[in-house]
Amino acid sequence: NAGVTQTPKFQVLKTGQSMTLQCAQDMNHNSMYWYRQDPGMGLRLIYYSASEGTTDKGEVPNGYNVSRLNKREFSLRLESAAPSQTSVYFCASNTDRVGNQPQHFGDGTRLSIL
Amino acid sequence: AQSVSQHNHHVILSEAASLELGCNYSYGGTVNLFWYVQYPGQHLQLLLKYFSGDPLVKGIKGFEAEFIKSKFSFNLRKPSVQWSDTAEYFCAVNPPIYNQGGKLIFGQGTELSVKP
Repeated sequence: NAGVTQTPKFQVLKTGQSMTLQCAQDMNHNSMYWYRQDPGMGLRLIYYSASEGTTDKGEVPNGYNVSRLNKREFSLRLESAAPSQTSVYFCASNTDRVGNQPQHFGDGTRLSIL
Repeated sequence: AQSVSQHNHHVILSEAASLELGCNYSYGGTVNLFWYVQYPGQHLQLLLKYFSGDPLVKGIKGFEAEFIKSKFSFNLRKPSVQWSDTAEYFCAVNPPIYNQGGKLIFGQGTELSVKP
């Protein structure tokens, strides 16, 4: 059971470089989410996609873009990485669109921006 | 601003001690409430959830939580902790349903360290 798969697991970038974080789920879930986790701040929602073909901003969208490529895949792109984007990034998915089911999380991507 | 607050940032307990972690939220209306746990180096896993009905909900590994609507609280409890409960615990709220896409708002997290 793969669940939610994130790649890569670790990445180091230089300021100004671009990168795409990949996320795929094999549970036929409708909704997908990207969070960042920083010490003392919990998880903060960057972007989400309630269904295939739609994306919406979360709490901290600045500096990021997303693409819901199909029902399975939801990618997060950093166009010009900044040190403030050093964080652990989690992708999650949910079978429904209104929060009546728990989210399922991937293992995370640890990203360092130098 | 509407938010989710966890009062304790780091809790240290000895094995067999009782645990209570506080969570308060500031959203009005009907909310769905969750507690997630993150063991060291792992992803978040669901401990328990509350949608409606009995305000005392039981989860995995002996955890339970009580929803008190008048206090906007959803505190997590366990009568006797074990060393294996060492982890970070997150309270999360699904805000009232108006095209919110099932998103969650998380508290800051509470790191629990259990001494053997």
